[in-house]
Amino acid sequence: QQQVKQSPQSLIVQKGGISIINCAYENTAFDYFPWYQQFPGKGPALLIAIRPDVSEKKEGRFTISFNKSAKQFSLHIMDSQPGDSATYFCAPRRGSQGNLIFGKGTKLSVKP
Amino acid sequence: GAVVSQHPSRVICKSGTSVKIECRSLDFQATTMFWYRQFPKQSLMLMATSNEGSKATYEQGVEKDKFLINHASLTLSTLTVTSAHPEDSSFYICSARDSAATGAGELFFGEGSRLTVL
Repeated sequence: QQQVKQSPQSLIVQKGGISIINCAYENTAFDYFPWYQQFPGKGPALLIAIRPDVSEKKEGRFTISFNKSAKQFSLHIMDSQPGDSATYFCAPRRGSQGNLIFGKGTKLSVKP
Repeated sequence: GAVVSQHPSRVICKSGTSVKIECRSLDFQATTMFWYRQFPKQSLMLMATSNEGSKATYEQGVEKDKFLINHASLTLSTLTVTSAHPEDSSFYICSARDSAATGAGELFFGEGSRLTVL
């Protein structure tokens, strides 16, 4: 059973546009919802994360929207830039010592 | 921010040989480290959880005799791929959590190690 479903698999956005990536999860025990950014040949890096007690968190051009009842959270990248081109993973977790459960990833390409 | 270093970043070896990959937390102590495997254009797959001073916990389907993990100190975990074969060629990534940190318990990832078995 796939615990985390991420969509779309790939995304092409024009420079300055909005990139939206979605993540649906099954396990209601998840209590930490991060997004990771990975460039080719590099390890993933935490981009932004949210706890389930808030519905939205914004850091610069990056926003997480969280819908607990729908068991979904999404990443919005405003004013997308070519430097944002990377693969993005949602990776919810249960408890502070729990493992991250990675989605399959979304390859974002921002065209100049 | 916290730094996790992996070495080597790239390694090429002949089939049948063993390869060791190191994962170090440079500015924090980590009682727990995680080892992942990532095939091209795929997601990260957790292989095992490395625990300082005790045996690693392996995920289902991961051969513990094939992928030897040693967590000898609070800042170093090693993954040894024994008798490597071409199908072991992959990108291996480690992550570590600061044992002293409170709150979210963020995981910090290494830069990854690309293994190519000829």
